[in-house]
Amino acid sequence: EAQVTQNPRYLITVTGKKLTVTCSQNMNHEYMSWYRQDPGLGLRQIYYSMNVEVTDKGDVPEGYKVSRKEKRNFPLILESPSPNQTSLYFCASGWTPKNTEAFFGQGTRLTVV
Amino acid sequence: GNSVTQMEGPVTLSEEAFLTINCTYTATGYPSLFWYVQYPGEGLQLLLKATKADDKGSNKGFEATYRKETTSFHLEKGSVQVSDSAVYFCALSEGGGNKLTFGTGTQLKVEL
Repeated sequence: EAQVTQNPRYLITVTGKKLTVTCSQNMNHEYMSWYRQDPGLGLRQIYYSMNVEVTDKGDVPEGYKVSRKEKRNFPLILESPSPNQTSLYFCASGWTPKNTEAFFGQGTRLTVV
Repeated sequence: GNSVTQMEGPVTLSEEAFLTINCTYTATGYPSLFWYVQYPGEGLQLLLKATKADDKGSNKGFEATYRKETTSFHLEKGSVQVSDSAVYFCALSEGGGNKLTFGTGTQLKVEL
């Protein structure tokens, strides 16, 4: 089954404790991206990757890091989480020139206290 | 920059009512337009899309027409069901397609 898998689904952590949210896709997509969803703001892009070892900032990259060592994986890293990073996070893949649909993971609800 | 504006929600309708969710956009070129749906506790799923002016996207009884002259992509359905209750996002993509620009989302609640 074609899917984008995020883990964990829910996470509560404390300020300053490094964490990683994993994202994996099994569709051989070149493009992957991270979004955060906040009430009244919709989804905003954090980082994206057009291929292995190629990453770039989106609209709200501050406080986040990503890596793309393999085509299927695109982890989101919060080196020192802060309460303003409490949000719902989505990983997406797709957007090759022949495929304009983005496939989304089920989301990770992060709470930073 | 690009932007998408959706009507404020929540929208509450009775089953079998007609649905319209307005969406207008601002873009510098010729974007592709999308409607995504988010059911409770799930990620976003593509509902329909249109890639050029006057195209009509349709799926599951939902329709939207790409209107370049009014920069709009309104979502419509003739008869909603309780199972259509979800949050609907209008979005656009331009150029190389490395980003979707989303509206703020419109929550739809359909009651019996």
